[in-house]
Amino acid sequence: GQQLNQSPQSMFIQEGEDVSMNCTSSSIFNTWLWYKQDPGEGPVLLIALYKAGELTSNGRLTAQFGITRKDSFLNISASIPSDVGIYFCAGVYSGNTPLVFGKGTRLSVIA
Amino acid sequence: DTAVSQTPKYLVTQMGNDKSIKCEQNLGHDTMYWYKQDSKKFLKIMFSYNNKELIINETVPNRFSPKSPDKAHLNLHINSLELGDSAVYFCASSQVASGPAYFGAGTRLSVL
Repeated sequence: GQQLNQSPQSMFIQEGEDVSMNCTSSSIFNTWLWYKQDPGEGPVLLIALYKAGELTSNGRLTAQFGITRKDSFLNISASIPSDVGIYFCAGVYSGNTPLVFGKGTRLSVIA
Repeated sequence: DTAVSQTPKYLVTQMGNDKSIKCEQNLGHDTMYWYKQDSKKFLKIMFSYNNKELIINETVPNRFSPKSPDKAHLNLHINSLELGDSAVYFCASSQVASGPAYFGAGTRLSVL
């Protein structure tokens, strides 16, 4: 089945630093999504990407849909303590296939 | 108003019991899902319903039975609970089957 390789698995950064994480797949996807999960909560959608090459921002977050349709990255600029959490990438190939999730990147921000 | 709400938030029960988790969405979405998140935080789809019809049924023991009485509700019933069923179960919905999913807060199931 389709699998997403998400890296890094975890990151420890200083407040104010920029963060970058990415997802790659051996299969192409038609939609890439980025979610954040806080402790004790469900994943919350951050950014949705629908077109190869698309670059979309949401505040300090920027994500891109790779040209090959097999990868995506998420950047967070000027990190703050509330950025702490697990970030998941997810992809959809077609309407009848389920959303496939990466294994997550755990972000810790040191004040 | 909570968009996707599931109850209960915590469920602690003995092995062998039967339990249900309820989910409701007020987003007007056509598709609803159940996901399981294990201790390593890996999210795996269990079921997907579109307009009350089952469209995805991943390899899940048949002790798990979803039921969708209407488009806004998708409940999960689990028979004969086992220790390995302990996990966080998330309900989610999307406008269409290929669209972004919106998640509930999760039900933390502990089987003793």
